[in-house]
Amino acid sequence: EAQVTQNPRYLITVTGKKLTVTCSQNMNHEYMSWYRQDPGLGLRQIYYSMNVEVTDKGDVPEGYKVSRKEKRNFPLILESPSPNQTSLYFCASSLYGDTEAFFGQGTRLTVV
Amino acid sequence: AQKITQTQPGMFVQEKEAVTLDCTYDTSDQSYGLFWYKQPSSGEMIFLIYQGSYDEQNATEGRYSLNFQKARKSTNLVISASQLGDSAMYFCAMREGTRFGAGTRLTVKP
Repeated sequence: EAQVTQNPRYLITVTGKKLTVTCSQNMNHEYMSWYRQDPGLGLRQIYYSMNVEVTDKGDVPEGYKVSRKEKRNFPLILESPSPNQTSLYFCASSLYGDTEAFFGQGTRLTVV
Repeated sequence: AQKITQTQPGMFVQEKEAVTLDCTYDTSDQSYGLFWYKQPSSGEMIFLIYQGSYDEQNATEGRYSLNFQKARKSTNLVISASQLGDSAMYFCAMREGTRFGAGTRLTVKP
């Protein structure tokens, strides 16, 4: 089954404790991206990757890191989480940058 | 920079009636794509329909259709024969989804 898998689905952590949210797709897509969703703001892009070893900043990259060592995986790293990073996070992939995106099920992160 | 505007935070529609959700955009690109996604209360994002800027006809996909007005830079989503399961958030997005609108929460009344 074609899918984008994010883990974990829910995470509560403390300020400053490094965490990684994993994202994996099995569709051989070139393009992957991370979004955060906050009420009233829609989805805002954090980082995106057009191919292996190619990543670039989106609209709200501060406080986040990503890597794309393999085509299928695109982890999101929060080196030192802060409460303002409490949000719903989505990973998405698409064949190319201008084709429909397939989304993971989301990760609800709470930083206390 | 691209910008997407959805001016309707919430909409109500009676079951079996049609509803139009508005979306306007701003871009200097000549070639672009517009997407609509649905987010039910369960939280997942579901792709609904796509319109390319050079498409001569309005996109349709089952009960979903787009009223694409390029000169006005708008692409409104029309849902015909609304069903209770259509109650959800709806997002308009541009190109690869770099830009999303703030969304419209649609509630279908029985």
